[in-house]
Amino acid sequence: KAGVTQTPRYLIKTRGQQVTLSCSPISGHRSVSWYQQTPGQGLQFLFEYFSETQRNKGNFPGRFSGRQFSNSRSEMNVSTLELGDSALYLCASSTRLAGGQNEQFFGPGTRLTVL
Amino acid sequence: SQQGEEDPQALSIQEGENATMNCSYKTSINNLQWYRQNSGRGLVHLILIRSNEREKHSGRLRVTLDTSKKSSSLLITASRAADTASYFCAWDTGRRALTFGSGTRLQVQP
Repeated sequence: KAGVTQTPRYLIKTRGQQVTLSCSPISGHRSVSWYQQTPGQGLQFLFEYFSETQRNKGNFPGRFSGRQFSNSRSEMNVSTLELGDSALYLCASSTRLAGGQNEQFFGPGTRLTVL
Repeated sequence: SQQGEEDPQALSIQEGENATMNCSYKTSINNLQWYRQNSGRGLVHLILIRSNEREKHSGRLRVTLDTSKKSSSLLITASRAADTASYFCAWDTGRRALTFGSGTRLQVQP
């Protein structure tokens, strides 16, 4: 079974631009979560999508948004980029089983650099 | 971190030695998970321990959980150079979002 894939792997943008990152979950997984990783703040939860609906959201400004398609693929968008948005963006998928066994499988990440 | 901590922040050992990493958190949890990350790449899931479990083994990994102390530890026995990576604990409070610890950078010298 193929793992979680993320595209592109590397991206360089300038301040003020916007960017769209893509994530394809493991086949059969319906939940996709996004995380931001920076040296200063560590790993932080952005949002989770399940069945095309945002189910949970972290403490990030409205410039960060996402969506999920009917095939469970997800995109996240960051508008009006700031230098501080430079980070590794990780996507994770899960089956969203009940009982708290929320094992998540992570993709390789997209490294975003904002100049 | 207001959410939790891992210690040590960095650990350097020789091949064959054991490595122990500790994680502390501040809320009630459903489960706690450990992940490995190689040099800025994606996270690899290592092991999940439920809140009603005290100890779990997987190969050379041993995880303990003490919910009364809100702490967990990861033991890697007979370490190898390939174990060099950053290790993160993450806990699930039932809100489906994982909260991550600050991580431990492990260096295993051949």
